[in-house]
Amino acid sequence: GENVEQHPSTLSVQEGDSAVIKCTYSDSASNYFPWYKQELGKRPQLIIDIRSNVGEKKDQRIAVTLNKTAKHFSLHITETQPEDSAVYFCAASGNNFNKFYFGSGTKLNVKP
Amino acid sequence: GAGVSQSPRYKVAKRGQDVALRCDPISGHVSLFWYQQALGQGPEFLTYFQNEAQLDKSGLPSDRFFAERPEGSVSTLKIQRTQQEDSAVYLCASREVYGVNTEAFFGQGTRLTVV
Repeated sequence: GENVEQHPSTLSVQEGDSAVIKCTYSDSASNYFPWYKQELGKRPQLIIDIRSNVGEKKDQRIAVTLNKTAKHFSLHITETQPEDSAVYFCAASGNNFNKFYFGSGTKLNVKP
Repeated sequence: GAGVSQSPRYKVAKRGQDVALRCDPISGHVSLFWYQQALGQGPEFLTYFQNEAQLDKSGLPSDRFFAERPEGSVSTLKIQRTQQEDSAVYLCASREVYGVNTEAFFGQGTRLTVV
């Protein structure tokens, strides 16, 4: 089955700096890669996603890049704000989009 | 309601007890998923329904875990003879359409603690 690894497990940045979280996956058949943000005690919420026919996608301060050859994808947050502090999870799924394999999460702390 | 609703939010069970966790998906959503999230870890897939049909239960850890969605709406995850390793947050998610990468909306989860 698919194996998704996520790094780093914790990330601390100063407000206004950029943050990058990286994930690798093992199954070359995976073709959909969502990113979820989970605040303490709350539900995971989708912040951005990318399909395998696209190399990069951007939404305001958030961007995701995908390298299918190397089987890795990354989340980039620019101009970080304290409200970006949360745990971020990457995930991968295959053709049926019915089973997500999640990474172990990155706890992002944005210091004011 | 506007989102996926799960109940109870918290459940404490004595080892060996049976528990039932409820998920109310967003109205009209065809797909429903259950995930298990251990402390400090990412969610792990348990099972998936398309309407009332359970199409994938490969993630259920043992035969003590059972899920159903008899009318294609509300779903119940049942755990029999709970054990300490079952302690986790159980997340339910629903999605509007089968087999398409539309957003999966998660509930807030049920935190199960087995003592």
